[in-house]
Amino acid sequence: TQLLEQSPQFLSIQEGENLTVYCNSSSVFSSLQWYRQEPGEGPVLLVTVVTGGEVKKLKRLTFQFGDARKDSSLHITAAQPGDTGLYLCAGGYTNAGKSTFGDGTTLTVKP
Amino acid sequence: GAVVSQHPSWVICKSGTSVKIECRSLDFQATTMFWYRQFPKQSLMLMATSNEGSKATYEQGVEKDKFLINHASLTLSTLTVTSAHPEDSSFYICSASETNRAGQPQHFGDGTRLSIL
Repeated sequence: TQLLEQSPQFLSIQEGENLTVYCNSSSVFSSLQWYRQEPGEGPVLLVTVVTGGEVKKLKRLTFQFGDARKDSSLHITAAQPGDTGLYLCAGGYTNAGKSTFGDGTTLTVKP
Repeated sequence: GAVVSQHPSWVICKSGTSVKIECRSLDFQATTMFWYRQFPKQSLMLMATSNEGSKATYEQGVEKDKFLINHASLTLSTLTVTSAHPEDSSFYICSASETNRAGQPQHFGDGTRLSIL
């Protein structure tokens, strides 16, 4: 069973601060997605990364995929209260028929 | 694009009732659909994977006779919680993918809050 470790589990910061969330595995991902989920709703896809070393930006969010495709990070610059939510990474493995989700990072941005 | 509609959003019913939840892909054909269960402030727990026209693949520990999944078309999958009991109360979420390849993005419904009295 592939394990996907996500850290930190909880993060509470003030508006304007920067933060980074990490997603790590001992196995190589074929691809990886980051999702954001708000309470009472389903997760919303933020990005898919496929190539080792890839960096993608979505406004104040920067996603990195490790060179070895075993880890990824999500960096948020100047966090805003609207960024509050549960952030989930999900990795696909070439020998598995489904994606594995990390345990999630609950982010709270205080105004 | 890639909209998934899940219905109903909320269900409150008595113990022993069977409850059906629908998951529809509105603007794409969903080769694969997934059903998840989520507890408060926790991640998604995969219950089963269903491919159109074939039997669902259930995760270890999930009772297939308790959670009946049907994926009769490329745009519709249903989850029926049979003879529901209070311990089945949870947030159930479906997702759909356009392919059955591992690691493809999933498009999620907005979930169903199930409360069994």
